Amino acid sequence: DAGVIQSPRHEVTEMGQEVTLRCKPISGHNSLFWYRQTMMRGLELLIYFNNNVPIDDSGMPEDRFSAKMPNASFSTLKIQPSEPRDSAVYFCASSQRNRGSYGYTFGSGTRLTVV
Amino acid sequence: AQKVTQAQTEISVVEKEDVTLDCVYETRDTTYYLFWYKQPPSGELVFLIRRNSFDEQNEISGRYSWNFQKSTSSFNFTITASQVVDSAVYFCALSEARLDRGSTLGRLYFGRGTQLTVWP
Repeated sequence: DAGVIQSPRHEVTEMGQEVTLRCKPISGHNSLFWYRQTMMRGLELLIYFNNNVPIDDSGMPEDRFSAKMPNASFSTLKIQPSEPRDSAVYFCASSQRNRGSYGYTFGSGTRLTVV
Repeated sequence: AQKVTQAQTEISVVEKEDVTLDCVYETRDTTYYLFWYKQPPSGELVFLIRRNSFDEQNEISGRYSWNFQKSTSSFNFTITASQVVDSAVYFCALSEARLDRGSTLGRLYFGRGTQLTVWP
């Protein structure tokens, strides 16, 4: 299995531009999570989906952030318009919970820099 | 509400020393999962161990060992004979696992992490 795949690995954009982060979860995993990591706030949950349905988006900072999961194999996190304070590493993770097996697998992250 | 506390922000040791990373958690759930992740300088989050709330057996994997104590809500991580390659940030995390959620896992609550530096 290729693991959780995130793209791009690095993104540098100018303030005000739209940014789209992408995630492909592990096949068969039924939950997907978007986390943001900053020095100030550590790892914080932005939103998560169960079976493609958003369950908890209370961590989404504001209306500039939106996330979608159109199918079981793809999710996007969009920031529009971007601001310098959005600079962070964004992680996507997928998980499953089957009899005797459970866990979370993280992608390599997208390092976003907004200048 | 769930909460994970890693009181040690930074730890420095010399190679071959043993080191213990502390983790204390809070939850009202009777069923939950605990995890440790390693984040090396390259930035990825590497899974180390998971433990469910019904299994208080300690675990050893090579130089790594974990001590889970429900009575003190702690899940501590010990590295024996530390090596330079162990230098990383280590995160403890808690997941809710309510039975009514079927085959899905809830969100992970992370501690702030402990930066471990192992000097040669």
